[in-house]
Amino acid sequence: SQQGEEDPQALSIQEGENATMNCSYKTSINNLQWYRQNSGRGLVHLILIRSNEREKHSGRLRVTLDTSKKSSSLLITASRAADTASYFCATDGSGNTGKLIFGQGTTLQVKP
Amino acid sequence: EPEVTQTPSHQVTQMGQEVILRCVPISNHLYFYWYRQILGQKVEFLVSFYNNEISEKSEIFDDQFSVERPDGSNFTLKIRSTKLEDSAMYFCASSEVGTAASPLHFGNGTRLTVT
Repeated sequence: SQQGEEDPQALSIQEGENATMNCSYKTSINNLQWYRQNSGRGLVHLILIRSNEREKHSGRLRVTLDTSKKSSSLLITASRAADTASYFCATDGSGNTGKLIFGQGTTLQVKP
Repeated sequence: EPEVTQTPSHQVTQMGQEVILRCVPISNHLYFYWYRQILGQKVEFLVSFYNNEISEKSEIFDDQFSVERPDGSNFTLKIRSTKLEDSAMYFCASSEVGTAASPLHFGNGTRLTVT
């Protein structure tokens, strides 16, 4: 089964606007993580939210988790051109091992 | 800030050849992983490694693949006889603990091109 499907697949906004990316998953989870990937580079961990948490903030990032709907969202406020990247959600599929299952990702372009 | 380093950044090889991709995980991390990303597709889990043993592997990680920690710092992925479909970015990652509560730290990847 697919796990960690993001939408939209691509998002283009102006600098200063907010960007919202959504992720849906199918199986129960312990945690959900969001990663960022600049073109041609490795993934960088942004934020982790546990299954018993509903919302978490880190700087300009806000993540929500709705386990009843099996969905999460990542909000980037006051976006900057440097936020241009691909964003992936990753779930553990309740295995509670280090193995992560990544979604297809959302490609965000922030225009200056 | 400590980081995971991977070499080479780009490897071109002919079908049927063996390749070894190298990684130096973060020094105090105990759990190591390989993931791959075929162009335009998802990042896929290959294998996890702890205490000198494979702890989990995916269906992709067949007999053509092997991992090794030959010394205290390196972690390698070997593909015995490469196929065209092995062309992908291969990412090494490490973590302090091997649970879902521990973020993974990724290297910048090795782009493997099989011709």
